[in-house]
Amino acid sequence: EAGVTQSPTHLIKTRGQQVTLRCSPISGHTSVYWYQQALGLGLQFLLWYDEGEERNRGNFPPRFSGRQFPNYSSELNVNALELEDSALYLCASSLKGAAPRGYTFGSGTRLTVV
Amino acid sequence: QKEVEQNSGPLSVPEGAIASLNCTYSDRGSQSFFWYRQYSGKSPELIMSIYSNGDKEDGRFTAQLNKASQYVSLLIRDSQPSDSATYLCAVPRGGGSEKLVFGKGTKLTVNP
Repeated sequence: EAGVTQSPTHLIKTRGQQVTLRCSPISGHTSVYWYQQALGLGLQFLLWYDEGEERNRGNFPPRFSGRQFPNYSSELNVNALELEDSALYLCASSLKGAAPRGYTFGSGTRLTVV
Repeated sequence: QKEVEQNSGPLSVPEGAIASLNCTYSDRGSQSFFWYRQYSGKSPELIMSIYSNGDKEDGRFTAQLNKASQYVSLLIRDSQPSDSATYLCAVPRGGGSEKLVFGKGTKLTVNP
């Protein structure tokens, strides 16, 4: 069974640019979660999608947005990049259910903003 | 109080020793708890989950949960250099949202 896949693995962007990160969940998983892990900081929750709908959003500005497609894959878009957006962006997926079962993370996208 | 708190460490133990990692959480309604291991430059990997008070053992790993004290711990017996990593405690946000809140992690170094 393929795990959560993310692309690209590394990305270098200039301040002010826009970036799109992609995530494919494990087959059968309908929920996709995005997290940011900046250097020295813990994992910060960004977005949760389930069955095509945004279900929850973390404390991030509106320039962080995303969507989930009918095949449950997801995109994270970041507009007007700032230097502090440099981080490891992690996508995770899980089955939908009343009780969380823990996430399986992808290998992440390392974004560097210069 | 932060939702999930861990000692940031670093924690250093000799090879073969028991490493003890601790985590406290603020939401009394939390029902499930997770430990993740993150090697440097890699993504977090789920290594233990625990749902009931008491101990849960999986190989060299034991998770301990005390809901009354809002405390969860991870013990690693016979620590190996390959256990050197950052260990993250995670707790679901209340209300069944399925969002996991992570502690900042404890960096463990096992010295040969």
